[in-house]
Amino acid sequence: DTGVSQDPRHKITKRGQNVTFRCDPISEHNRLYWYRQTLGQGPEFLTYFQNEAQLEKSRLLSDRFSAERPKGSFSTLEIQRTEQGDSAMYLCASSLLLGQGENSPLHFGNGTRLTVT
Amino acid sequence: KQEVTQIPAALSVPEGENLVLNCSFTDSAIYNLQWFRQDPGKGLTSLLLIQSSQREQTSGRLNASLDKSSGRSTLYIAASQPGDSATYLCAVNFQGAQKLVFGQGTRLTINP
Repeated sequence: DTGVSQDPRHKITKRGQNVTFRCDPISEHNRLYWYRQTLGQGPEFLTYFQNEAQLEKSRLLSDRFSAERPKGSFSTLEIQRTEQGDSAMYLCASSLLLGQGENSPLHFGNGTRLTVT
Repeated sequence: KQEVTQIPAALSVPEGENLVLNCSFTDSAIYNLQWFRQDPGKGLTSLLLIQSSQREQTSGRLNASLDKSSGRSTLYIAASQPGDSATYLCAVNFQGAQKLVFGQGTRLTINP
C-alpha cells in the first residue's frame, strides 16, 4: 500500500489552456474523491466515484471540468479553457464503502497545485 | 444546509501547553467525524476518526471527543511541541451525503 498518489505535483499554465491531473487511489478502495482547496480555506468537494460510476458532482464543477475513472482504478480530472480563478490545490482521496453508505477513513494524496497565469 | 465551522482560524501558544481546537457542525445525523493535519503546501494526514457511536478517540498526545447532540467536537493536544505547528481540519461525514464536509481549519503555531 503506497497510499494515494497524484501527478503532477505542480502545474503552471496560461489562461485558456487545458490541463489534466491524475490520481491513483489505494488499490482496494472503491471510492475516489476530488476536492479543491484555496489558500486559507478547507477543501471543497468537487465529485466522487464509486468504482467507475460518477455518483455526485458539486455545483462548483462547471462544464469546463470533467472527471473520469474508466476502469474503477485511477482517475483523471481535466479542466478546459483554464481561468485564473481555477488556481488552487486539487486534492484526491480514496476510501472503502462500508455498510449502509458509510465510508472508511478518507486517505488523501499530496495534491496538485495549479497556477493559472 | 450541512456545514462545519472551526474557531479560531488561527492560534498561537507557547511550547509545552495543552490546547483545545474546536469544531461545530449543523446536523447531528452523522456517520463519523475525522480530524486531519495539513502542513503548508501538502496534502491532508488523517489523525483521528470518531464513529457516530463513539464519544472519543485517542492517539498518543491527541484526544478527540464527539458530542453529536450539541454538534461539537474537540481535538485536545497535550504537551504541545513546535512540530505540532500545522493547520488542523475537522471534517464530517453527514448521513445522506456520501462525502466529507470540511471546516475552514485552525492554523496552529507552537512557539519554542
